[in-house]
Amino acid sequence: ELKVEQNPLFLSMQEGKNYTIYCNYSTTSDRLYWYRQDPGKSLESLFVLLSNGAVKQEGRLMASLDTKARLSTLHITAAVHDLSATYFCAVDIYGIGSKLTFGTGTRLQVTL
Amino acid sequence: KAGVTQTPRYLIKTRGQQVTLSCSPISGHRSVSWYQQTPGQGLQFLFEYFSETQRNKGNFPGRFSGRQFSNSRSEMNVSTLELGDSALYLCASSPRTGGEQYFGPGTRLTVT
Repeated sequence: ELKVEQNPLFLSMQEGKNYTIYCNYSTTSDRLYWYRQDPGKSLESLFVLLSNGAVKQEGRLMASLDTKARLSTLHITAAVHDLSATYFCAVDIYGIGSKLTFGTGTRLQVTL
Repeated sequence: KAGVTQTPRYLIKTRGQQVTLSCSPISGHRSVSWYQQTPGQGLQFLFEYFSETQRNKGNFPGRFSGRQFSNSRSEMNVSTLELGDSALYLCASSPRTGGEQYFGPGTRLTVT
C-alpha cells in the first residue's frame, strides 16, 4: 500500500524567511504533485513532477523530485503572507490510473 | 475553458438519508475521480470513472457508489448516511486516465 508522509504538519514562519516542506513516499513512483488549499476551498495545482531530478519553480516556490530517495521537497524562499495555506503532496503510480494518494498536508502560516 | 463544476456546493442531510452529488468535468476530459476530505482522515480516494466504467476504487464501504454518463458527467451516491460521512467531497477530471487531475470546488456535506 502506497503511503505518503509530509513534514512538518504545521509551519509558522516570518515573512522573508526560507523553509522546506518534505514529502516521502513508500513505493516507487515517478509522478508527484503539489497542491495548495486555502481554507474552505478546493485544491489548486502548483507543480507536476514527472521524472527523477525534476525541478520546477514558480515565484517563491520551488519543487524537486528524487525518485531514488522517494523524496520531494517544496522550498519556500522569502515567504510572504499570501503564501499562507495548506500544502499537499500527492503521488500516483503509472499504469494504475487516476488514483492519487495524498500526504497529510502542511499548514503554513506566514506572520508579518 | 470552463473548469470542473460540482453541484450542490453545500448540503445538509440527516443520518440514514441518502445523497447524490454531481460533477461535470472539463470539456473533453473523460476521467473523473472522487475524493473525500475530512479533518481526521485527510484526503482519500473514493473512485475513478473512465469511459463510463469504474477503473479504480478506494477503501470505502459499499454505501459509496458512483457512475459516469456518456457525456463524462459523474455522480456519486452515499446511502444510509452516517455522521462520519460529513466531509468535503472533491471531484477531479483528467483528459485521460492517469493524467494530471483538475479539481472542482467541492461539495460540503454535513450529516446531522
